[in-house]
Amino acid sequence: DAKTTQPNSMESNEEEPVHLPCNHSTISGTDYIHWYRQLPSQGPEYVIHGLTSNVNNRMASLAIAEDRKSSTLILHRATLRDAAVYYCIPTPRNTGNQFYFGTGTSLTVIP
Amino acid sequence: GAGVSQSPRYKVAKRGQDVALRCDPISGHVSLFWYQQALGQGPEFLTYFQNEAQLDKSGLPSDRFFAERPEGSVSTLKIQRTQQEDSAVYLCASSFSGGQGYGYTFGSGTRLTVV
Repeated sequence: DAKTTQPNSMESNEEEPVHLPCNHSTISGTDYIHWYRQLPSQGPEYVIHGLTSNVNNRMASLAIAEDRKSSTLILHRATLRDAAVYYCIPTPRNTGNQFYFGTGTSLTVIP
Repeated sequence: GAGVSQSPRYKVAKRGQDVALRCDPISGHVSLFWYQQALGQGPEFLTYFQNEAQLDKSGLPSDRFFAERPEGSVSTLKIQRTQQEDSAVYLCASSFSGGQGYGYTFGSGTRLTVV
C-alpha cells in the first residue's frame, strides 16, 4: 500500500482558498488518488479522485504532480461547513478496493 | 433510500455481551464495506462484500467478529463477547461497482461503547 504523509492540522480563513497537501511517494502507476473528508459525527464523504490529470468538480480541485508522488486538494473558497478531516487515499487496483485512510488533515476554518 | 443507513446510531453494551450492527446500503449497490474507527483515528478496513459473497475479511480483528450479507443487500456485523477495545464507531459503505473511479457512500456509523 502506498504510504501517505499529510499535515496533522491546518487552518484557513473563511472565504479564502485552502491547499491541502499529500505526499504519496510510493504510489504505483495504476493507483488512483482519492480524497475523502469526514465532518464531525458523520461518515467519510467522497470529495474527488484522479489518476494523472488535474481534476475539477463542484466541491474542489485536485492537482496531481507530474511524477504523481504528491497531490494537492484545493478548496477555492473555504466555508465553515468545510471544517473536517481530509483524507488522501491512494488506491491500488488489486486490494479488493478497500481504502486505507491514515489519520488525515484536520482543517479548521476561521470565521 | 437516498443514502446508506446504519442502525442503531448508538449502542452501549456490557462487556461480554453480543451485539449486532445493521447496514442498509443504497439500493442496487453491489459492493459493501465495513470499517472500524477508533477515537481520533482514521477508519480501518474490516471486511468487503460483493453482492452476497464476502470477498475479503482480512481486517476483522478476531474470530469474535462476523459479518454477513445473505441476500446481497442488508448486511449485519456481529461482535460476540464484546470487550472494551471493541469500543469504536463502525462505518458501513456501499458502492455501485467497487471498481476504480466510483466513490463510495458511507453511512453515519454506529457508535459502540463497551462498559
